[in-house]
This record gives sequence, structure tokens and C-alpha cells, in this order.
Amino acid sequence: EAQVTQNPRYLITVTGKKLTVTCSQNMNHEYMSWYRQDPGLGLRQIYYSMNVEVTDKGDVPEGYKVSRKEKRNFPLILESPSPNQTSLYFCASKRQGASYEQYFGPGTRLTVT
Amino acid sequence: DQQVKQNSPSLSVQEGRISILNCDYTNSMFDYFLWYKKYPAEGPTFLISISSIKDKNEDGRFTVFLNKSAKHLSLHIVPSQPGDSAVYFCAASVGNEKLTFGTGTRLTIIP
Repeated sequence: EAQVTQNPRYLITVTGKKLTVTCSQNMNHEYMSWYRQDPGLGLRQIYYSMNVEVTDKGDVPEGYKVSRKEKRNFPLILESPSPNQTSLYFCASKRQGASYEQYFGPGTRLTVT
Repeated sequence: DQQVKQNSPSLSVQEGRISILNCDYTNSMFDYFLWYKKYPAEGPTFLISISSIKDKNEDGRFTVFLNKSAKHLSLHIVPSQPGDSAVYFCAASVGNEKLTFGTGTRLTIIP
């Protein structure tokens, strides 16, 4: 089954404790992206990657890091989480080229206390 | 600076009637528009899209209209069904690199 998976689905952590949210897709997509969803703000892009070893900032990259060492994986790293990073996070992927449609993972709800 | 706006946070419609969800944008460079549907505890799923060279695209019960001069698009669902109750996001793209999303409209279909 073609899908984007994220782990963990739910995470409660404390300020300053480094964490990683994993994202993996099995569709051989070149493009991958991270979004956060907040009430009244919709989905905002954090980082995206056009292909392996190619990453770029989205609209709200502060406080986040990403890496793309393999085509299928695109982890999101919070080196020193803060309460304003409490949010619902989505990973997405798509074929590069003519395709506009992005496929989303199920989401990771992160709470930073 | 919200480039894509959905001014109605919520909408309630009787089952069987038409649901109309609206979206406005400010960036005239957007050349492709999409609608996504999101159920609770799930990721958004693609619903329907339209290129800026068209003014209408239809897929079953779903039709998207684009008015470029007004920088406005709308999603029509007819007839509305209980399973259509969800949050709907419109999104827009310049070229093919990133999507800019609206804030979402929660649609509730009343049986």
C-alpha cells in the first residue's frame, strides 16, 4: 500500500530535550516536505526537499532541522524544543516534475511543556 | 501575510443540498490550485485541482471554479453527504515547488 508514515503519532516532551520525528514514504517520491498545522493558521511549510541531499527552508523553519540522506526518509529534528513548537506536524511527499498533488502522513501531535 | 484565505471557519449544510466553500488568494503568480479534505486524526487527502488556464474542473459530485480576475476559487459539493463532513483546505502553487495553504473550513453536513 502506497503511504507516508510518521513516528511517533503522539509525543509529550519538555523544553530543551532534543527529539526527532521520522517520516518515510514507499512511493519513490523525490519531493518531501514538513508542515505544521495550528488553529487559525492552516498548514505552514517548515522545510522541503527536492531530492536526496537537497533541502530548503519553507515559511517557518526557525527551531527545526531536517536531513535527506535517503530518498524514502525525511526526519524532522527539534534540537531544543520550546512550547511554541507545540503543534500538529505533517510530512508529505510527491513525484517531482508535473505532479502537484502531495500525499500526507497521518500526523504527529507534539506537546512541549 | 496570508496569501491564501478561507474566510469562513465553518459551514453547516443540510444533507442533499449544495455545499459551497470559498477561497481567496492575493498572489497573481499562483498557477495551480488544489483542494484537500481532512478528517480528524488523519492527514489531508487530495480532492480536486484546477490549473490557472481553466475556469472549471469537475469530478463527480465535486466541482472547482476559478475566477482569476477576482482571485477567487470555490468548491461545490452536490449533493452533500454526511461523509463530506470534514475540514477542507484550499492550496495554491507557483510552479511546482511548494503549496501555500489556506486556514481551512470545517464543513458539517446535517442529516
